[in-house]
Amino acid sequence: GEDVEQSLFLSVREGDSSVINCTYTDSSSTYLYWYKQEPGAGLQLLTYIFSNMDMKQDQRLTVLLNKKDKHLSLRIADTQTGDSAIYFCAERVDYKLSFGAGTTVTVRA
Amino acid sequence: GAVVSQHPSRVICKSGTSVKIECRSLDFQATTMFWYRQFPKKSLMLMATSNEGSKATYEQGVEKDKFLINHASLTLSTLTVTSAHPEDSSFYICSARGGQGADTQYFGPGTRLTVL
Repeated sequence: GEDVEQSLFLSVREGDSSVINCTYTDSSSTYLYWYKQEPGAGLQLLTYIFSNMDMKQDQRLTVLLNKKDKHLSLRIADTQTGDSAIYFCAERVDYKLSFGAGTTVTVRA
Repeated sequence: GAVVSQHPSRVICKSGTSVKIECRSLDFQATTMFWYRQFPKKSLMLMATSNEGSKATYEQGVEKDKFLINHASLTLSTLTVTSAHPEDSSFYICSARGGQGADTQYFGPGTRLTVL
């Protein structure tokens, strides 16, 4: 909720890169996550990063973490129509997850 | 691996009745399961944390007598919405902690509850 903030909407052209940004407040976060939710479905774990890492790359996904600024981003390379969904970032503190409000990504042809 | 199922996926009930939602970890043992509620176009709100064999821990503002949670085994947790009212209509999602990698929470597909 209020401890994790994301922009609400992102529109991107097919084939371009998408960058979704997230800020969090709790400096004791151990892990930070990105989840994807398609309409009417649950959350799919996309990737996560340990708090002592700066970057993690997994195929088309790149996660950047700036711990000093408490800023997390997810870059999706070569965005496809199947990437249209809501993306949630979440911070983990003491095994509890706090979620942002989600960024709705719309991919246009 | 790390698949979590929920049943039912969708339920419609009359006001005043009780509804039970099941959450199962299919291919791993989950020591901890979480129940969330999601309002339309909103984030997930953690309702409670349940550990196998012990009482659930409820978040502030969540009525434990209204939302009964049972975590009877390492692969099954149930949420019972008692005396449901239209304002309980929502999307309920469970998650299970365990499996491989980072004590990650793996989420079920959600249950859409509509109370008439």
